[in-house]
Amino acid sequence: AQSVAQPEDQVNVAEGNPLTVKCTYSVSGNPYLFWYVQYPNRGLQFLLKYITGDNLVKGSYGFEAEFNKSQTSFHLKKPSALVSDSALYFCAVRPMNSGYSTLTFGKGTMLLVSP
Amino acid sequence: NAGVTQTPKFQVLKTGQSMTLQCAQDMNHEYMSWYRQDPGMGLRLIHYSVGAGITDQGEVPNGYNVSRSTTEDFPLRLLSAAPSQTSVYFCASREDSHGITEAFFGQGTRLTVV
Repeated sequence: AQSVAQPEDQVNVAEGNPLTVKCTYSVSGNPYLFWYVQYPNRGLQFLLKYITGDNLVKGSYGFEAEFNKSQTSFHLKKPSALVSDSALYFCAVRPMNSGYSTLTFGKGTMLLVSP
Repeated sequence: NAGVTQTPKFQVLKTGQSMTLQCAQDMNHEYMSWYRQDPGMGLRLIHYSVGAGITDQGEVPNGYNVSRSTTEDFPLRLLSAAPSQTSVYFCASREDSHGITEAFFGQGTRLTVV
């Protein structure tokens, strides 16, 4: 069975500083990896995904993530944080080429960006 | 294009009552799913469907039923509500059943069972 670990419940960063939200995964075979963001009282919104190819994936709102197969990680990054980036971030994984397998989410990391 | 629409947004039930959470998508997506979100536990899959007439259980299916009679609709039924079902429920859809495309989520239904 696949699993996702987001080791930090909360990440605090000052506006303008770089941010990293960590994610590690466990899956049989190669993974499909996703990041979603949830703003208060809203549903999840897709940020970016890794399917295959370049290990550095660029997504919405200036976010990017780096797939590291040897470390089974898919950390979310942004060079310069904005206060409006404050939200709950979820990493998710699904095994590649596994038919109708489902998407497994991490527990989420709250990102707080201070002015 | 409305995307994924969930109704109601809020609901309070008494223990033992039944209700149906509605979910509709207008993107002709094959795959639809229901999740519940609880503090510190992330999103957990309740049931999913890979197409009309096909449903399957997720991680936490007990106490919930689903059906998929059309591509557009995927209602979630609580047959006899329990306080443990107090949660925020999200419906999601994606274009393909094999996992490459991203999921679109509804705004959620906040359910309280007293």
